[in-house]
Amino acid sequence: GEDVEQSLFLSVREGDSSVINCTYTDSSSTYLYWYKQEPGAGLQLLTYIFSNMDMKQDQRLTVLLNKKDKHLSLRIADTQTGDSAIYFCAEIPPRGGGNKLTFGTGTQLKVEL
Amino acid sequence: NAGVTQTPKFRILKIGQSMTLQCTQDMNHNYMYWYRQDPGMGLKLIYYSVGAGITDKGEVPNGYNVSRSTTEDFPLRLELAAPSQTSVYFCASSPEAAMPQHFGDGTRLSIL
Repeated sequence: GEDVEQSLFLSVREGDSSVINCTYTDSSSTYLYWYKQEPGAGLQLLTYIFSNMDMKQDQRLTVLLNKKDKHLSLRIADTQTGDSAIYFCAEIPPRGGGNKLTFGTGTQLKVEL
Repeated sequence: NAGVTQTPKFRILKIGQSMTLQCTQDMNHNYMYWYRQDPGMGLKLIYYSVGAGITDKGEVPNGYNVSRSTTEDFPLRLELAAPSQTSVYFCASSPEAAMPQHFGDGTRLSIL
């Protein structure tokens, strides 16, 4: 597809795991990113994964990459209220020079008590 | 720890007015970017720069201009503001292509 696709909303209970999914556009993209945006703030880089990796773990965050299906996921373990935000996946596809991020529409994560 | 600094944080313009959104970074990054974020949407690239003196169009450049006279600064200019330019504007920088980008806190612009 032409667009990076994400579900718009996800609601979880505090303490549960959250899984945010993303389908990106170009299997040749070298790096894939997850950004977090809290209300009224800019984007904060959470983590990224290089395309030769299947998985990357960083404390409560686990990124899984399926290059064949162009599928990226972000798992947040023990989700807290402070994790409530919009999460964007992004890629830098080689087309267009390989220096421009293409973002998904974002997944709004709501953490309920 | 300034990183990427954007000014102003908020602005209201009348249709047809012009203004410049300022962006400066203190990380000596070569690459700088301007995005706009419309409600419920991801970010769309307006313009980017790979170094001082070099700029190029992104996905949605119409109605905007940029310049890059120094490594630190990358101002975005709106010449004739239109309601369709009401958005949140983000500036970002990265050391090189495909490296993680660092974002400013955004400028919220309303055109009435």
